[in-house]
Amino acid sequence: AQRVTQPEKLLSVFKGAPVELKCNYSYSGSPELFWYVQYSRQRLQLLLRHISRESIKGFTADLNKGETSFHLKKPFAQEEDSAMYYCALREADSSYKLIFGSGTRLLVRP
Amino acid sequence: KAGVTQTPRYLIKTRGQQVTLSCSPISGHRSVSWYQQTPGQGLQFLFEYFSETQRNKGNFPGRFSGRQFSNSRSEMNVSTLELGDSALYLCASRQGANYEQYFGPGTRLTVT
Repeated sequence: AQRVTQPEKLLSVFKGAPVELKCNYSYSGSPELFWYVQYSRQRLQLLLRHISRESIKGFTADLNKGETSFHLKKPFAQEEDSAMYYCALREADSSYKLIFGSGTRLLVRP
Repeated sequence: KAGVTQTPRYLIKTRGQQVTLSCSPISGHRSVSWYQQTPGQGLQFLFEYFSETQRNKGNFPGRFSGRQFSNSRSEMNVSTLELGDSALYLCASRQGANYEQYFGPGTRLTVT
């Protein structure tokens, strides 16, 4: 069955430290992977998608099909990065069903 | 453009009752998806509608149903409410295939 695993419930780092939020997936086909972010009292919003291969707010994520991973990275964390981060997988069909991981809360301390 | 709107924002119901939640997508968006968010199960896909047709359905009992109208607005209905149906119900809309999906603020349903 398709699954997205985010092993860390909470990741706490100091401002300026590197950040890596882990995401592993299981899917037999070619998935589309996303990172969504939810800041305090705000809506869930798309941070980045693997097909775009872009950096958003300093975050990057590379799809590693061999390791079935899509880890989110940022070299220098900022306090405003504190939020809930969700990794999600879209199945390769015509619909837009997203399978979400359980989420990782990132806390960036001053 | 206005974002995805959901009404009501908060709802308290009693076990056995039924409830209807509404979602208005961003203007021009024809696809609407629904998700249930709970502390225990996280975010789970309920169903997706595109041009009034259900495109996909998640693993939820038949008590959960939905529909989409010609103006792309969508409703979801839960009949015979159970305590476990207490959750945040999120609606998301997108313009079409390969376009970004935008989420609404959610409807917080509490079943007592």
